[in-house]
Amino acid sequence: GAGVSQTPSNKVTEKGKYVELRCDPISGHTALYWYRQSLGQGPEFLIYFQGTGAADDSGLPNDRFFAVRPEGSVSTLKIQRTERGDSAVYLCASSPGTPGRAFFGQGTRLTVV
Amino acid sequence: GQQVMQIPQYQHVQEGEDFTTYCNSSTTLSNIQWYKQRPGGHPVFLIQLVKSGEVKKQKRLTFQFGEAKKNSSLHITATQTTDVGTYFCAGGDYKLSFGAGTTVTVRA
Repeated sequence: GAGVSQTPSNKVTEKGKYVELRCDPISGHTALYWYRQSLGQGPEFLIYFQGTGAADDSGLPNDRFFAVRPEGSVSTLKIQRTERGDSAVYLCASSPGTPGRAFFGQGTRLTVV
Repeated sequence: GQQVMQIPQYQHVQEGEDFTTYCNSSTTLSNIQWYKQRPGGHPVFLIQLVKSGEVKKQKRLTFQFGEAKKNSSLHITATQTTDVGTYFCAGGDYKLSFGAGTTVTVRA
């Protein structure tokens, strides 16, 4: 596609449920990132993939969060046992290389009720 | 860890006026990037600065990277309503550390 695509655009879930957020990066971009943005804040780094492997997952807040990129393209961010504090906009970005400009998707707004 | 701070947090500007927003890092940066996020939108890349003391211009926007590569600034001249949004600076090799942003509103 022309840009980074994220689905769903909005997700409302109940506390304790499991959610999956999908990111389809720009074709050919080897680097993929997940960020989380809370209201009034800048994006906060979660995880970085180079190809299929997670090169840096130091930003994942705890073991309820996990992300995969099995074929080096589409990535899925998985959150188990969601908590109200997980509510935020989850942004995916891709880049043709590092360091380099990041192309962000529109984000998934996650609301945990 | 690396921390990036931006001031001011909010900038209310009269249309036609100039303003500057500042970015400071606790550590030396290999490069600094600036992004703009419109209300309800996602961050959009504006520029990347790599060299010490580098200055780049994009029409009415002037970006500067400090000599010590620990600070940066964005100066906008003759502000227009299209400049409304939040401007973020971000530093890092691959893992970008974003500041909290400067949110700009414009009075027509």
